[in-house]
Amino acid sequence: RKEVEQDPGPFNVPEGATVAFNCTYSNSASQSFFWYRQDCRKEPKLLMSVYSSGNEDGRFTAQLNRASQYISLLIRDSKLSDSATYLCVVKLDSNYQLIWGAGTKLIIKP
Amino acid sequence: GAGVSQSPSNKVTEKGKDVELRCDPISGHTALYWYRQSLGQGLEFLIYFQGNSAPDKSGLPSDRFSAERTGGSVSTLTIQRTQQEDSAVYLCASSLKFATGSSTDTQYFGPGTRLTVL
Repeated sequence: RKEVEQDPGPFNVPEGATVAFNCTYSNSASQSFFWYRQDCRKEPKLLMSVYSSGNEDGRFTAQLNRASQYISLLIRDSKLSDSATYLCVVKLDSNYQLIWGAGTKLIIKP
Repeated sequence: GAGVSQSPSNKVTEKGKDVELRCDPISGHTALYWYRQSLGQGLEFLIYFQGNSAPDKSGLPSDRFSAERTGGSVSTLTIQRTQQEDSAVYLCASSLKFATGSSTDTQYFGPGTRLTVL
């Protein structure tokens, strides 16, 4: 089993719709969680950190479920520019390494 | 200010040749990371530097891979006797410092070096 698993997609979503995807992690000791965004043939960029209580940044909402060991990303009122691959990232408290999921590809269609 | 830069942006080499990839982190960032990403795959962690020191080299795929960092700044990743399976995008990232669960360890990525081994 991979340490961080994501549905590779692609998720094809019409513009303006709401889309959500999850990421599961295997190590219950994981302490820090992030969503990164990667555009085609570009480097990853931090989208948002994920806090225990859940957090929102504009149209983006991130949630953490420690009991079930998953994090989620919800995008409301999706824009064409949201088309990208969304990478789930997990960090262990005692380990400098970030463990990366393979990403979920999102395609927003007009 | 300037972000993370990497050179070359593209490198095509023949199997068996050595290559050297360079990373210039954001000024003042003490932590530096090397990853590689194959087409359609997630990031594979290779090595991390805190200052000039690499505490754990176990992520390097083989002994053909080595990395160094000098002056707490520029890092080079060297691949000796390249093989076709080494073809990937090699990404470098830096963070202000290494800290657990802190925003100061947000990683900022360079544009990557696309390595193709023929």
